[in-house]
Amino acid sequence: EVQLVESGGGLVQPGGSLRISCTASGFTFSDHWMSWVRQAPGKGPECVANIKQDGSLIFYVDSLKGRFTISRDNAKNSLYLQMNSLRAEDTAVYYCARAIRHSYDYWGQGTLVTVSS
Amino acid sequence: DVVMTQSPLSLPVTLGQPASISCRSSRGLVHSDGSTYLNWFQQRPGQSPRRLIYEVSNRDSGVPDRFSGSGSGTEFTLKISRVEAEDVGIYYCMQGTHWTWTFGQGTKVEIK
Repeated sequence: EVQLVESGGGLVQPGGSLRISCTASGFTFSDHWMSWVRQAPGKGPECVANIKQDGSLIFYVDSLKGRFTISRDNAKNSLYLQMNSLRAEDTAVYYCARAIRHSYDYWGQGTLVTVSS
Repeated sequence: DVVMTQSPLSLPVTLGQPASISCRSSRGLVHSDGSTYLNWFQQRPGQSPRRLIYEVSNRDSGVPDRFSGSGSGTEFTLKISRVEAEDVGIYYCMQGTHWTWTFGQGTKVEIK
């Protein structure tokens, strides 16, 4: 059974940094593109970033380039998102998702990131 | 970015009756590889999104056959043939043809 478990969310002050993680199981992690998708309260999902199997190709949503960094460790079946210079509008549930054929077929349960003073 | 526009935004339905959600894209969704990457997701209250349909009309494993997707170019539709209580939630279309992949605003399905 495919499982994606996010962790590391919490309350952070504006301008602060946070690193969230996702641990995958139930499939060969190194065979798949992986992604972060976020959903602000009461809003629809928003793609954040996609990373290729070996990390050699990464796509970011333009509005987040330079502040967020996606990375992965295939030996640990883990996906990461480093978030810097956080703003109130970054408050959202952040989902880890498996990407396949230009879609997301499995999602984690999400981790809530709240940016507030 | 490609804008995905759904209608209606709210859809009250009687149990056992059909429902239809429309999704329009601001650009054509045929990829250079010939495929059309239009997906539908269901998000039940308090849950993560779950994919129902990929590449316009392919149902995911475990998705009831009362759900169907159709369309082409810039106009797409999700149909539920007979709504059941467990179908309550928000439905999103999403295009994966052009990066940044984008979602519609969502259609809230509720029981009358």
